Amino acid sequence: AQTVTQSQPEMSVQEAETVTLSCTYDTSESDYYLFWYKQPPSRQMILVIRQEAYKQQNATENRFSVNFQKAAKSFSLKISDSQLGDAAMYFCAYRTFFGNEKLTFGTGTRLTIIP
Amino acid sequence: DTGVSQDPRHKITKRGQNVTFRCDPISEHNRLYWYRQTLGQGPEFLTYFQNEAQLEKSRLLSDRFSAERPKGSFSTLEIQRTEQGDSAMYLCASSSSDSTEQYFGPGTRLTVT
Repeated sequence: AQTVTQSQPEMSVQEAETVTLSCTYDTSESDYYLFWYKQPPSRQMILVIRQEAYKQQNATENRFSVNFQKAAKSFSLKISDSQLGDAAMYFCAYRTFFGNEKLTFGTGTRLTIIP
Repeated sequence: DTGVSQDPRHKITKRGQNVTFRCDPISEHNRLYWYRQTLGQGPEFLTYFQNEAQLEKSRLLSDRFSAERPKGSFSTLEIQRTEQGDSAMYLCASSSSDSTEQYFGPGTRLTVT
């Protein structure tokens, strides 16, 4: 079974600075998807960024980018120019490429933005 | 497109009572998922539908839990004889066949007293 580990329960960053959230995972599969989801306080979870394991190029979405290290099974999220609206729980998630499309989540990292 | 909706948003019930939650997915999405999220944890998969067919159930889904998706539209999740350990946020998500993105609803927070 796949597992996802987020070793940073909480992180904080000054507004306009850059922060990196860590995620490691364990799988025996060679093809899969990785995601970062954001869950703001009392609001629903939304997708931040997605990475296909077969793509070597790291995904980027505006201020959000990932560092995908397949051999190390590491998938970190970098948030540049942090904004107050980035404050949320961030969850790393894994999905197998074939078959069941369920997401396996990590325990999350609570990100606080310091004005 | 109004997004995924869930009803009720909050439910308080006494131990031993039955509860039912409803999820309305995005209209064109044929896939629907239920997850459970306890405090301080990430969501955990419960079950998954493609159209009206329930394709997988987690071992977390005990015999007291049942989910349906009649006609492949909305879905219901019923918990019978609730226990305090059932207290959690129950999340619903939906997706389309040609996308890996799951769209989440706001969740139903269940408190069992």
